[in-house]
This record gives sequence, C-alpha cells and structure tokens, in this order.
Amino acid sequence: DTEVTQTPKHLVMGMTNKKSLKCEQHMGHRAMYWYKQKAKKPPELMFVYSYEKLSINESVPSRFSPECPNSSLLNLHLHALQPEDSALYLCASSLDGSHSYEQYFGPGTRLTVT
Amino acid sequence: AQSVSQHNHHVILSEAASLELGCNYSYGGTVNLFWYVQYPGQHLQLLLKYFSGDPLVKGIKGFEAEFIKSKFSFNLRKPSVQWSDTAEYFCAVNGKNTDKLIFGTGTRLQVFP
Repeated sequence: DTEVTQTPKHLVMGMTNKKSLKCEQHMGHRAMYWYKQKAKKPPELMFVYSYEKLSINESVPSRFSPECPNSSLLNLHLHALQPEDSALYLCASSLDGSHSYEQYFGPGTRLTVT
Repeated sequence: AQSVSQHNHHVILSEAASLELGCNYSYGGTVNLFWYVQYPGQHLQLLLKYFSGDPLVKGIKGFEAEFIKSKFSFNLRKPSVQWSDTAEYFCAVNGKNTDKLIFGTGTRLQVFP
C-alpha cells in the first residue's frame, strides 16, 4: 500500500470558521509533511513532522496549526483563515525524515475560504 | 539561496515527438534529485529519482533523466511522447539528510494526437 489519503477532498469555509484537514498513511513512514499549492504553482512546504515531532515550520501563520497524533495521522487545524489561503493543501509522507527518501503525496484537499 | 529552475514553462508536442525538459538547481552540497508528474485532476506522482551512482536514471512510463553534476542539471527525457503524457512536470531537489524538498516552477506539457 503506497497510498496517502486526505479528507475532505473539498472544503469551503468562512473566515470565522474552524475546520481541520486530515491525512493518513499506513506505509510505516515516520516523516509527514504539509504543503500548500496555489493554481499553476509548485507545492510550497509548510510543516514537517519527523517521528511525531514538529521538525520544520516554514514561518507559517498561526491560523494554521498542525498536529501529529500518531505516526500514521497528520492533521491541519484551520482557524480565522483569509481568502488568500484558498489553495490545494497536500500531505506527503516519507520513510524517515532524518535521511533522504522520496516523498509520497496524497490527492490534496481543495480549500476555498469565503 | 537554494533554488530549482525549469526554463520550459509550457511545451507543446505532437505524439511520437521526443521530449527534453530542463532542470537546473542551485544548492550548496550533495543533493537528491526528483521528477514528479501531476496529471490533470490527479495527485503528484514520482517519475524518477537520483540519490547516487549511475547518473542516468530510468523511471516509470519510459522516462529517464541524466544528472550532470558539473552543470547542476537533471534534465528529463522521453524518446516518444504519448497523448497520455499531458501533465505538469516538476523537478525537485533536497539536500542529503534534510526533509526540505524544493520544487521548480513546473513545466506544462501538452501532447496532441
């Protein structure tokens, strides 16, 4: 199983809402990532978790709050977002964050902030 | 600064034509190199990767890439494209022992029958 799953597929939220994105993998990977991808642009790294600890935060605004409850799950909690936060949010995982392995990507959650 | 450049933003080819997409990187140190593909409406998939060894690497679907260290390049090639190769192609690089994957701006490939 080389699959990373993400829910929901689509999300529309107002600027005062609180919502969460979920990512799951069952490949035994110990590193998980959140990326943001705007239309016709490359993915941009937001957060990295390695062995369930936050190892990289790319200066992401605090309205985005990641959480890694266990080695298979990664959440992204959203609160008080802005319309410019509308994008495709991608989750990825790799075998081990301390060494270099390829990342496997999920299908993404398309977020629209109204 | 670390960066990846893809000079071809949009490439249009007919089926059976040969393909070469350019990728150059700027990175201080030893790197791992990747090509990812994003088909319309689908998620990013790994086409091929280079970690070490033979600089000519073969990937899925008939793609290959050559790492030329002296030119800081990792160009993607396919001898004969198909309509189904229509997609966005991203070159990416990370340093050894680092999690941070840096993507190029992408090349949109359109293949016409």
